[in-house]
Amino acid sequence: GNSVTQMEGPVTLSEEAFLTINCTYTATGYPSLFWYVQYPGEGLQLLLKATKADDKGSNKGFEATYRKETTSFHLEKGSVQVSDSAVYFCALSEDNYGQNFVFGPGTRLSVLP
Amino acid sequence: KAGVTQTPRYLIKTRGQQVTLSCSPISGHRSVSWYQQTPGQGLQFLFEYFSETQRNKGNFPGRFSGRQFSNSRSEMNVSTLELGDSALYLCASSVNRGHEQYFGPGTRLTVT
Repeated sequence: GNSVTQMEGPVTLSEEAFLTINCTYTATGYPSLFWYVQYPGEGLQLLLKATKADDKGSNKGFEATYRKETTSFHLEKGSVQVSDSAVYFCALSEDNYGQNFVFGPGTRLSVLP
Repeated sequence: KAGVTQTPRYLIKTRGQQVTLSCSPISGHRSVSWYQQTPGQGLQFLFEYFSETQRNKGNFPGRFSGRQFSNSRSEMNVSTLELGDSALYLCASSVNRGHEQYFGPGTRLTVT
């Protein structure tokens, strides 16, 4: 079945550091890929998405590119802020009605001032 | 447009009781999914409803059930509560199956 793997956390960075959170997936077809973020005490929010190979999703300074050849969708940000501290979830969905969203385990990011 | 709403936000129950959680999706959204989130197991898919029918179900015992009404509102029910059912229960809605999901704030259930 479909699956999503994320790098183990927690990730601790200093403010203004570069962020990469790795995400790879296994899917039978051509899924859409998503990054969700969960701030403390809140539900998940959609951060960005990409629906086909080579698409780049971006939002709030975060970017991720859909790489079909490496089945990856790594999340990057050039300069993190303390307010980016949260848990980040990579997810996929296939539009064939065969399976709903599949989420990765989440990566906790802590940004120190 | 109002977001996904979940009621109640917090709930405390004792073992053996049952509980019903409610989710109102974003207007126009027809698919509703439920997830259980715990520190140990992470985010686990419970079930998905579309057009009042359960379309997918995760690996949870039969004590967990749900339904969807004609206005797309959904409820989930957990019977014979166990301590391990303590979790944040998240509801998500989407326009259609497979589309990006929008999450509610969750219901924090504590079983004592």
